[in-house]
Amino acid sequence: GENVEQHPSTLSVQEGDSAVIKCTYSDSASNYFPWYKQELGKGPQLIIDIRSNVGEKKDQRIAVTLNKTAKHFSLHITETQPEDSAVYFCAASMITSYGKLTFGQGTILTVHP
Amino acid sequence: SAVISQKPSRDICQRGTSLTIQCQVDSQVTMMFWYRQQPGQSLTLIATANQGSEATYESGFVIDKFPISRPNLTFSTLTVSNMSPEDSSIYLCSVERGPENIQYFGAGTRLSVL
Repeated sequence: GENVEQHPSTLSVQEGDSAVIKCTYSDSASNYFPWYKQELGKGPQLIIDIRSNVGEKKDQRIAVTLNKTAKHFSLHITETQPEDSAVYFCAASMITSYGKLTFGQGTILTVHP
Repeated sequence: SAVISQKPSRDICQRGTSLTIQCQVDSQVTMMFWYRQQPGQSLTLIATANQGSEATYESGFVIDKFPISRPNLTFSTLTVSNMSPEDSSIYLCSVERGPENIQYFGAGTRLSVL
């Protein structure tokens, strides 16, 4: 089955800096890669996703890149703010697998004011 | 997006007892999912619940321990049976919605077993 590795496990940055979180996956058939943000006491919320027919996607301060050949994808957050502090999870699935997401281990991002 | 309500939001239970967690969605969905998030860990899929059929369980999860009901297209329950302290986790309900099959999560049920 699919295996997703996520790094780093913790990331500490100063407000205004950029943050990068990286994930690798094992199943070359995976073609959908969402990123979720989980704040304390809440469920995960989708912040951005990318599909295998696209190499990069941006939404304001957030971007995701995908390298299918190398089987890795990354989350980039620019101009970080304290409210970006949370746990971030990457995931992978096949679109036809009816929602079977395999999650990475999570990254605790702390943005210091 | 989707509005997903889970009840209870948290509970403290004694070992050997069972707890049923409810998940209500604001509109009809075909597939509902149950995940477990152990303390400080990632999310692991327990099972997929379709209306009108038995749930499909992932490796390591069995129906006797985690029975699931899906009586209609907006509601599902997960029961954690014969609980032990190792069952202390966050249990999350999610649904797939929209033409792009995006998955949305509820706030979770935080379970502690003493």
